[in-house]
Amino acid sequence: GAVVSQHPSWVICKSGTSVKIECRSLDFQATTMFWYRQFPKQSLMLMATSNEGSKATYEQGVEKDKFLINHASLTLSTLTVTSAHPEDSSFYICSARAVVDGELFFGEGSRLTVL
Amino acid sequence: GDSVTQMEGPVTLSEEAFLTINCTYTATGYPSLFWYVQYPGEGLQLLLKATKADDKGSNKGFEATYRKETTSFHLEKGSVQVSDSAVYFCALSPWSQGNLIFGKGTKLSVKP
Repeated sequence: GAVVSQHPSWVICKSGTSVKIECRSLDFQATTMFWYRQFPKQSLMLMATSNEGSKATYEQGVEKDKFLINHASLTLSTLTVTSAHPEDSSFYICSARAVVDGELFFGEGSRLTVL
Repeated sequence: GDSVTQMEGPVTLSEEAFLTINCTYTATGYPSLFWYVQYPGEGLQLLLKATKADDKGSNKGFEATYRKETTSFHLEKGSVQVSDSAVYFCALSPWSQGNLIFGKGTKLSVKP
């Protein structure tokens, strides 16, 4: 089946630094990608929707200047956590909607720990 | 707003036991309903879906029926296996190309 790859799968960084997470659709094109955040024992919370070539749409309460999303091509979206702080530590998951049939495919997730 | 409520886990069963994971939803209009599964160390995978009332989604022995009258989409399997151990997420999509709204997930552990 279709594969969505996230990189890195886990990252540890110091407070104040920025971290970039990549989401790639490996064998299909995706005009729309979604970024979710998952806290322990909580559901996945949608952070933003990114469409190729346009600005991301952020959900209420998500700081767009802190969570920068770029969707430069039909197979790549990136999430940059700027000036990360310990409260940004979480599991970030992306999903990509296939152009062909609209089905959603999920990445394995990226665990961010900010010290 | 739209939301999904699913039974809290963890759920521990013996192999070949019957499984039910309850899921109810709140939504305006006619959402599509999904069950996703996350095996240890892997990403979410679509398990089954239903797009309209009374539809039954099925896959790998799992079934769920879209019940509009009870706003439910309970997941069932007649005989679970150890390999079914995973976290199961119920989700809805308010419209066909929209994002997904997830429940909190239910962890299932199946013992031999």
